[in-house]
Amino acid sequence: SQTIHQWPATLVQPVGSPLSLECTVEGTSNPNLYWYRQAAGRGLQLLFYSVGIGQISSEVPQNLSASRPQDRQFILSSKKLLLSDSGFYLCAWSGGAGYYQPQHFGDGTRLSIL
Amino acid sequence: GNSVTQMEGPVTLSEEAFLTINCTYTATGYPSLFWYVQYPGEGLQLLLKATKADDKGSNKGFEATYRKETTSFHLEKGSVQVSDSAVYFCALSDMNTGNQFYFGTGTSLTVIP
Repeated sequence: SQTIHQWPATLVQPVGSPLSLECTVEGTSNPNLYWYRQAAGRGLQLLFYSVGIGQISSEVPQNLSASRPQDRQFILSSKKLLLSDSGFYLCAWSGGAGYYQPQHFGDGTRLSIL
Repeated sequence: GNSVTQMEGPVTLSEEAFLTINCTYTATGYPSLFWYVQYPGEGLQLLLKATKADDKGSNKGFEATYRKETTSFHLEKGSVQVSDSAVYFCALSDMNTGNQFYFGTGTSLTVIP
């Protein structure tokens, strides 16, 4: 069966520090991969999605970036964190290009910026 | 464009009450519809889905019917439990934008004993 792993689960970082969040998927190949941010008490904001290695689409211009160095690995990065980057970050995957395929989410990373 | 509108929360119900969470959508193509549930501090879990008109998705006592004529996908449960307390998200994906999902803003449900 397919599983998705995100780490770390919780992270506290000072303003201006770098960021690296990692997400990996097991049990499937060539998944679509997604990064979302969820502010406290709010809905989901799509940040990036990828349909293949090295292919990244950005939905929101900001100081975050994403990379997909391997088929089932998706990394969210920042060179300098802002206070507004605080939130709950969720990675998700879906199978293939079929629009009827659901997205499956990891357990999330709670990021607090001090 | 595509969008999903959910009823505003929070919703508070007594145990064994009937639940309805309204969801309506706008889509440029022919969408698939989903309900997700998020328990505190966790990621989203797929609750149910429907991929064509008049389909009924069901899981764990929850149901939702894809109504194309009213562009709706309301979530219902006949008798809620305390363990159903969570945030519920309605979502769609569209054949024209198959790689992206469009989520509602979420509806918080609290069930009290």
